Amino acid sequence: DARVTQTPRHKVTEMGQEVTMRCQPILGHNTVFWYRQTMMQGLELLAYFRNRAPLDDSGMPKDRFSAEMPDATLATLKIQPSEPRDSAVYFCASGLGPGVYEQYFGPGTRLTVT
Amino acid sequence: AQKITQTQPGMFVQEKEAVTLDCTYDTSDQSYGLFWYKQPSSGEMIFLIYQGSYDEQNATEGRYSLNFQKARKSANLVISASQLGDSAMYFCAMSPGGGGSNYKLTFGKGTLLTVNP
Repeated sequence: DARVTQTPRHKVTEMGQEVTMRCQPILGHNTVFWYRQTMMQGLELLAYFRNRAPLDDSGMPKDRFSAEMPDATLATLKIQPSEPRDSAVYFCASGLGPGVYEQYFGPGTRLTVT
Repeated sequence: AQKITQTQPGMFVQEKEAVTLDCTYDTSDQSYGLFWYKQPSSGEMIFLIYQGSYDEQNATEGRYSLNFQKARKSANLVISASQLGDSAMYFCAMSPGGGGSNYKLTFGKGTLLTVNP
């Protein structure tokens, strides 16, 4: 049963620290999405990649967030420096796109910045 | 820009009864996709059903059906024969559609469904 994996599942860090979240998409999927879920804003798209190339990162605060795909099996989302308002659940999803609508979500990384 | 509105913050239903969760959308795109996801208390996002804007038939997946009314811009989810395990948050979402779409999703705020025994 192929699944998207995310690490860590939980992260507590202090303001100002660097945070790196990792995602392993389902093998063979060429589209990767990063979403953020907060109580106030709900679920928001941060960025997405096709064949490891960033297609849209307009939802991401550029000054502190960065997303990359070093290879086809790993996507990373980095926050530097982290702030309390970054506290959220970060989801990674992968899909077979383009033209294939189903996205498979990972379990999420719950980030708390104190 | 695309926008999804879910007006029901919470809904209650008796086990074995049907329930409809409301979703309206706004978009200037001619081609788009409509989705429903389920998020149980464990937190994972589970895909339920998809409807393309050009699909003439309402989508169905087991006990889930999507009541698509294009002129009204609504995409309500109907769950038949509710089960206790259906208790969860339900999100309506949409994306630009078409054959070359990347299906990046815009989500509504969600509806918390509670199924009572």
